[in-house]
Amino acid sequence: EAQVTQNPRYLITVTGKKLTVTCSQNMNHEYMSWYRQDPGLGLRQIYYSMNVEVTDKGDVPEGYKVSRKEKRNFPLILESPSPNQTSLYFCASSPEGARVYEQYFGPGTRLTVT
Amino acid sequence: QKEVEQNSGPLSVPEGAIASLNCTYSDRGSQSFFWYRQYSGKSPELIMFIYSNGDKEDGRFTAQLNKASQYVSLLIRDSQPSDSATYLCAVNPWAGNMLTFGGGTRLMVKP
Repeated sequence: EAQVTQNPRYLITVTGKKLTVTCSQNMNHEYMSWYRQDPGLGLRQIYYSMNVEVTDKGDVPEGYKVSRKEKRNFPLILESPSPNQTSLYFCASSPEGARVYEQYFGPGTRLTVT
Repeated sequence: QKEVEQNSGPLSVPEGAIASLNCTYSDRGSQSFFWYRQYSGKSPELIMFIYSNGDKEDGRFTAQLNKASQYVSLLIRDSQPSDSATYLCAVNPWAGNMLTFGGGTRLMVKP
């Protein structure tokens, strides 16, 4: 089954404790991205990657890191999480070329930072 | 001013009616436009995309784009209770390989 998977789905952590949210897709997609969704603010892009070893900032990159060492994986790293990073996070992937913006979303990771 | 704006709703329509969802955007150079549907507690899913001015139909859904007026709309004909969800408008701005989303419109279809 073609899908985007994220782990963990739910995470409660404390301020300053480094964490990684994994994202993997099995569709051989070139493009992958991370979003956060907050009430009243909608979906905002954090980082995206057009291909392996190619990443770029989205609208709200502060406090986050990403890496794209393999085509199928795009982990999101919070080096020192803070309460304002409490949010619902989605990973997405899409085909290359003209269809790059037809994104397939993972199930989401609900993160709470206390 | 937000780059992509939608009325948050809720928009309530009776079953069988036409639901009309609107979205305006600020970047005049925007190239492509998308509608995603998000059920409560679920992830967004793509339902329509449109690149050119005019209408694009897919089943009960019609996307309409007017670049001169900088708006895009989604019409849902014969609305069903299963259409009740939040509809997100997304735009690819001129600069950058990314999508900018509106805040979404919550649609409620009442039996």
